[in-house]
Amino acid sequence: QVQLVESGGGLVKPGGSLRLSCAASGFTFSDYYMNWVRQAPGKGLEWLAYISRGSTTIHYADSVKGRFSVSRDNAKNTLYLQMNSLRVEDTAVYYCARVCDYCSSGESDYWGQGTLVTVS
Amino acid sequence: SYELTQPHSVSVSPGQTASIPCSGDNLGHKEACWYQQKPGQSPVMVVYQNNKRPSGIPERFSGSNSGNTATLTISGTQAMDEADYYCQAWDSSTVVFGGGTRLTVL
Repeated sequence: QVQLVESGGGLVKPGGSLRLSCAASGFTFSDYYMNWVRQAPGKGLEWLAYISRGSTTIHYADSVKGRFSVSRDNAKNTLYLQMNSLRVEDTAVYYCARVCDYCSSGESDYWGQGTLVTVS
Repeated sequence: SYELTQPHSVSVSPGQTASIPCSGDNLGHKEACWYQQKPGQSPVMVVYQNNKRPSGIPERFSGSNSGNTATLTISGTQAMDEADYYCQAWDSSTVVFGGGTRLTVL
């Protein structure tokens, strides 16, 4: 079965850095585009980044462009999100999500359980 | 930047039909999808490409998209459908989410 497991969250001071990982299993990771999405406490979903199968196409939300960087290692079945210059408003649960291969608008058919990042 | 607007809340009685709108400029020319999120859980896609249901999603969930509004419809709403619902579209190489609608079944 498809599994996405995020890790790397925790408490970090403003201005600090953190790298999140998302370990994928139960499907051929290299065949799928991936998204990062976050959710601040009590708030809605916010899309952050999108990466193609071979990392040739990457898009970012304006709110994180220049501070966050998405990458993937298909040999390790792992997606990453490098977060620099963190701000208090980056406090959120961070989800990785698989872009469904039958979709055409970045829809995510599987989501991880999320990892909490607290900037304080 | 592109924006999707949803009502903060919608209420429905058990067994009735719930309709959750999502509005955006010329949204009908794009593809909309919908996610359900229950408290403490990750989102689950319930409709994609405007009106298609992923495997395992009950038939009571349906979608439509025309003009400036996409709509998620839940027929014969059950207590288990109480959740937050988010619409999503794609614009200018970015994923855009609506602000979310809390569906209350009472």
